[in-house]
Amino acid sequence: QVQLVESGGGVVQPGRSLRLSCAASGFTFSSYAMHWVRQAPGKGLEWVALLSNNGDNERYAASVKGRFTISRDNSKNTLYVQMNSLRGDDTALYFCARGHGPGSYLIDQWGQGTLVTVSS
Amino acid sequence: DIVMTQSPDSQAVSLGERAAVNCKSSQSLLSRSDNRNYLNWYQQKPGQPPKLVISWAYTRESGVPDRFSGSGSGTDFTLTISSLQAEDVAVYYCQQYYSAPLTFGGGTKVEIK
Repeated sequence: QVQLVESGGGVVQPGRSLRLSCAASGFTFSSYAMHWVRQAPGKGLEWVALLSNNGDNERYAASVKGRFTISRDNSKNTLYVQMNSLRGDDTALYFCARGHGPGSYLIDQWGQGTLVTVSS
Repeated sequence: DIVMTQSPDSQAVSLGERAAVNCKSSQSLLSRSDNRNYLNWYQQKPGQPPKLVISWAYTRESGVPDRFSGSGSGTDFTLTISSLQAEDVAVYYCQQYYSAPLTFGGGTKVEIK
């Protein structure tokens, strides 16, 4: 079955950087777009970024554009997000999620999430 | 950006009764090219990630009980639980995938009365 396992979360000071990873299994990773979605504590869902299966299409939420970079290594079945210049409002549970197809915006599977806390 | 507005924020429904969650988008989610509405419904239980229950506005996902149904087109959509069960207690989110940035409604908490 589809498994998405996020890692790399933790406590980080404002202005610093962090890289999250998402290990995928149970499907042909290179055939699917992948997304990051976040959820601040007690709040709703906020889409963060999308990367198509072959990396030729990436899109970002305005709140993270220029600070976050989504990437993938299809040989390792792994999705990443590099988060720079972190701010307090980046504090959230970060979910890795699968698109329904190669460039799909339809999110059909989610990981359990990894928590990022930005605090001094 | 497409703004998604859900109502109500919460609702308490008796077991076996009907629950309905509404979602309105700031622009049409109906694609002229394929005549599909690019609208999902997710269910999120405490401590769990969201789970896709309805895609394309009314297509129930595999394994989702048939008491869940989606309706609507264009800018107005509804998720209906025909006979609420205890395991349906959750927050429900609508989400548009018509265009980036993808956007979610604020969520509707469904509880037992």
